Amino acid sequence: DSGVTQTPKHLITATGQRVTLRCSPRSGDLSVYWYQQSLDQGLQFLIQYYNGEERAKGNILERFSAQQFPDLHSELNLSSLELGDSALYFCASSVSGENEKLFFGSGTQLSVL
Amino acid sequence: QQQVKQSPQSLIVQKGGISIINCAYENTAFDYFPWYQQFPGKGPALLIAIRPDVSEKKEGRFTISFNKSAKQFSLHIMDSQPGDSATYFCAASMKSGYSTLTFGKGTMLLVSP
Repeated sequence: DSGVTQTPKHLITATGQRVTLRCSPRSGDLSVYWYQQSLDQGLQFLIQYYNGEERAKGNILERFSAQQFPDLHSELNLSSLELGDSALYFCASSVSGENEKLFFGSGTQLSVL
Repeated sequence: QQQVKQSPQSLIVQKGGISIINCAYENTAFDYFPWYQQFPGKGPALLIAIRPDVSEKKEGRFTISFNKSAKQFSLHIMDSQPGDSATYFCAASMKSGYSTLTFGKGTMLLVSP
């Protein structure tokens, strides 16, 4: 168990809808990362937060947004969902935000029908 | 643009054999090279990592070999066991600053009994 909690584990929704994925980092970790995993693209970095502030942005679509709250949990919001958004979404956390020793959650499997 | 290229895509090794997975990178500013192991239904977990100031790092049956001039690094799993069957991801980042991890597309390893 990595100590990173992601909810829900599975999410099935329709095109055009909006969903929110939630992540609770390991105790003491200040940085949260979001990754999208698909068979053809592998693990794609979306966005990173450190102590509530956005630190780095990757291949995140404008329809997607995220935030990290004062209690350090994070939410990834996906809107106007398309079939191609179906993927496994991982949250990871680390102490310093320097990429070393990322601890990944078990992911949220999103299916857009 | 794929900055970290990983091969092979899949690998079958007999129990007791050596599993070898290769990665090549393009960005010469990368200075941190971790390998992550992912079991089905789980998030990736850090397995072993190396910095370019050494050419090899060994932890138990797992060894990273690093060739800075060729911009390549590889993971060797000695005495491969069925429990090693998983997907392995190489990654790279810059230690300094706010660099994020760039992952290879993964190698699915199956160790046959």
